[in-house]
Amino acid sequence: GAVVSQHPSWVICKSGTSVKIECRSLDFQATTMFWYRQFPKQSLMLMATSNEGSKATYEQGVEKDKFLINHASLTLSTLTVTSAHPEDSSFYICSARDAQRGSGEQFFGPGTRLTVL
Amino acid sequence: QKEVEQDPGPLSVPEGAIVSLNCTYSNSAFQYFMWYRQYSRKGPELLMYTYSSGNKEDGRFTAQVDKSSKYISLFIRDSQPSDSATYLCAMNLNTGNQFYFGTGTSLTVIP
Repeated sequence: GAVVSQHPSWVICKSGTSVKIECRSLDFQATTMFWYRQFPKQSLMLMATSNEGSKATYEQGVEKDKFLINHASLTLSTLTVTSAHPEDSSFYICSARDAQRGSGEQFFGPGTRLTVL
Repeated sequence: QKEVEQDPGPLSVPEGAIVSLNCTYSNSAFQYFMWYRQYSRKGPELLMYTYSSGNKEDGRFTAQVDKSSKYISLFIRDSQPSDSATYLCAMNLNTGNQFYFGTGTSLTVIP
């Protein structure tokens, strides 16, 4: 149980294009999902907290108009990197919290590697 | 001062050794403590989840929390090459709050 998937697992795009990344909780409902980015040999950096049916909460320094988050259902959140540039190249990871569990573990997806040319 | 401090390593040990990984934290209000394992180019995988001080054991892994010292540890017994990964500690105030992660410790177990 508690499986989170991400799609795509990797993507290469041209500068200026937009890229959408999906995060799905496969066997549980997730009222809250989190989006992180991770640079090589560095830890996870929280970008935003996504709550089903409401606007995402962005961390300081993260541009909400550039990183659009939509949490349309209890099992799906999407991150769209708009007008991507080479500096946006990174490993993007989502996590989800199981609404039914009283504890607060986050279960992570396998990550999406974005390369912007 | 960072909320969570973790030695990034790298740490190399021979197969079969006991590994000790540690994190310290500054916020005494943290209540939930987790250890994640992350293989290269993969998402983190939850290894251990603990609440309150004490020890928790799961197979070859033991998580230890000392709230009085604000110090948590993960012990790996009989380490295997497949344990080679980056280990991240994480903690939060309560189940509704964001996680605070350590920077991760890179571990290599040499056959």
